Amino acid sequence: GESVGLHLPTLSVQEGDNSIINCAYSNSASDYFIWYKQESGKGPQFIIDIRSNMDKRQGQRVTVLLNKTVKHLSLQIAATQPGDSAVYFCAEKQGNTPLVFGKGTRLSVIA
Amino acid sequence: GAVVSQHPSWVICKSGTSVKIECRSLDFQATTMFWYRQFPKQSLMLMATSNEGSKATYEQGVEKDKFLINHASLTLSTLTVTSAHPEDSSFYICSAVSRLSPSPLHFGNGTRLTVT
Repeated sequence: GESVGLHLPTLSVQEGDNSIINCAYSNSASDYFIWYKQESGKGPQFIIDIRSNMDKRQGQRVTVLLNKTVKHLSLQIAATQPGDSAVYFCAEKQGNTPLVFGKGTRLSVIA
Repeated sequence: GAVVSQHPSWVICKSGTSVKIECRSLDFQATTMFWYRQFPKQSLMLMATSNEGSKATYEQGVEKDKFLINHASLTLSTLTVTSAHPEDSSFYICSAVSRLSPSPLHFGNGTRLTVT
């Protein structure tokens, strides 16, 4: 369902540090998960995905971890840069059903 | 590859008028396109699923007569907001699924609709 909130959770990190963004998903039957980055005024940009038969997947500077036991997904960004500042959404999907987005976290990188 | 284009990127219209938003898959064929709406500081909310050549499937609470969706070809879907009201002001985003590669979902850059 739709998440309603006045403020997005915000994570502030120092440039060069690692960032960890967490997401609790709702459907235990979801079998596909994606992290998206959304900059102001733009559509979501694909970062990395993972299927439920995996618990970790690495990309360039990013790692996604999946813990199905507690329905938890995390995105790790190594050596965070100012260009990483954005809102990050996790999304889940079960089979052919539409993608469902989480609430989002704003990442603010301090130079 | 896998580019989704939305047009217009922003539009201002008067209350009571209709606005059409286009979503195109530029370099792939999209069997399915999705329309999302996003209010400020909130997440994306799915409005409807559009399959080429068939009627769209609307999510609960989304008025199909108000938000008309047409998916006439494998590269184009349109969303028409009819008789727009100020509360329809929002960021509308489309996404498309490639016929050849269903994952991941690719998104357009959104359309900012302001109804005055």
